[in-house]
Amino acid sequence: DQQVKQNSPSLSVQEGRISILNCDYTNSMFDYFLWYKKYPAEGPTFLISISSIKDKNEDGRFTVFLNKSAKHLSLHIVPSQPGDSAVYFCAARGNAGGSNYKLTFGKGTLLTVNP
Amino acid sequence: SQTIHQWPATLVQPVGSPLSLECTVEGTSNPNLYWYRQAAGRGLQLLFYSVGIGQISSEVPQNLSASRPQDRQFILSSKKLLLSDSGFYLCAWKVGGRDYGYTFGSGTRLTVV
Repeated sequence: DQQVKQNSPSLSVQEGRISILNCDYTNSMFDYFLWYKKYPAEGPTFLISISSIKDKNEDGRFTVFLNKSAKHLSLHIVPSQPGDSAVYFCAARGNAGGSNYKLTFGKGTLLTVNP
Repeated sequence: SQTIHQWPATLVQPVGSPLSLECTVEGTSNPNLYWYRQAAGRGLQLLFYSVGIGQISSEVPQNLSASRPQDRQFILSSKKLLLSDSGFYLCAWKVGGRDYGYTFGSGTRLTVV
């Protein structure tokens, strides 16, 4: 049962254009959503997050939108740069019991930004 | 500063051999620690997490086990590896603060042959 879904395994965009990465989730109890970026043979690095009580969070070229009614979030990268080429993971924070939490990840989307 | 160390970076092991991967963190105390695996064509799957010494929670039934002998040490083990254990293993620790995210180690690429 996959609670966090990234239905697009890959995305290719031109440098300077907008990249939109999508993520859907099924568990309405998730309270935080995060995006991670991963290069080959490296661990994921945190990119941006959003609380479930907000619908938008912006950090430089990166903006995350959350639509709670649709259980959908998206990451927008504007303008896209070749260095943005990586696998992007969507993650959701859920309660693991007591005051402990855990992150559930999607399968990732490979973004390729072409010069 | 807070850092996380994970080793080895790559490992090739025969089927049936044992496994021990180690993860240590520095610059913090009593962190929540996690082991994730990324198998080919799959996302990041949570294997184990620990909220303290000797406390291990398993997420999926499998051929692996975890231990936390010290506050900042997390070990992933197997007595007999299977081909399906191949993958990219990541250790992570929970960072407090506004982002509520994790910091990941650099990972171990395990190939079982």
